[in-house]
Amino acid sequence: ETGVTQTPRHLVMGMTNKKSLKCEQHLGHNAMYWYKQSAKKPLELMFVYSLEERVENNSVPSRFSPECPNSSHLFLHLHTLQPEDSALYLCASSQLIGTGGYGYTFGSGTRLTVV
Amino acid sequence: AQKVTQAQTEISVVEKEDVTLDCVYETRDTTYYLFWYKQPPSGELVFLIRRNSFDEQNEISGRYSWNFQKSTSSFNFTITASQVVDSAVYFCALSEAVNNNDMRFGAGTRLTVKP
Repeated sequence: ETGVTQTPRHLVMGMTNKKSLKCEQHLGHNAMYWYKQSAKKPLELMFVYSLEERVENNSVPSRFSPECPNSSHLFLHLHTLQPEDSALYLCASSQLIGTGGYGYTFGSGTRLTVV
Repeated sequence: AQKVTQAQTEISVVEKEDVTLDCVYETRDTTYYLFWYKQPPSGELVFLIRRNSFDEQNEISGRYSWNFQKSTSSFNFTITASQVVDSAVYFCALSEAVNNNDMRFGAGTRLTVKP
């Protein structure tokens, strides 16, 4: 049982839909991350939140909108996606940024298919 | 910026064979951390090991062993007497001490262990 829970596990959405991915952790971590994993591509860091504030946005299109209401929850709001956005979206958490050396705990991911 | 290279895209072995997964990294920092993660078909990345840049002692954990060599900037992972359950994608990652929010992952190596 992973310490990071992601829902839903699978999502199929049309290009005009609006949906949200949810991530929850109760590990006492105060940094959370969204990663995108496409077929045959390295893991791509999308967003980083530290103490509920966004500290990094790696040139992600505006059709992806993150939200971190508290240190235990992270959302990724999706709207007007493209087929190339189909991928596995992974959430991770870790201890406070800057202390270095802490591995991330990952969720099982949401497999997103855009049709 | 730091970089991680896993040159082996896919490896296939027969059960009970030993297999080594290569990882080469680049960083300008003197203090950094190296990680290995396993991604089984279920999707989540499972933390295997963390090594800091000042500890070059090799580590063994059951059938797993890691060889860290700063002289060649490598952090290789060996599975002894492989088993079918070892089949997964394995990722090597690097984070620099002052910037834990920027963990860089290699492209991953897909290991298939055949019975």
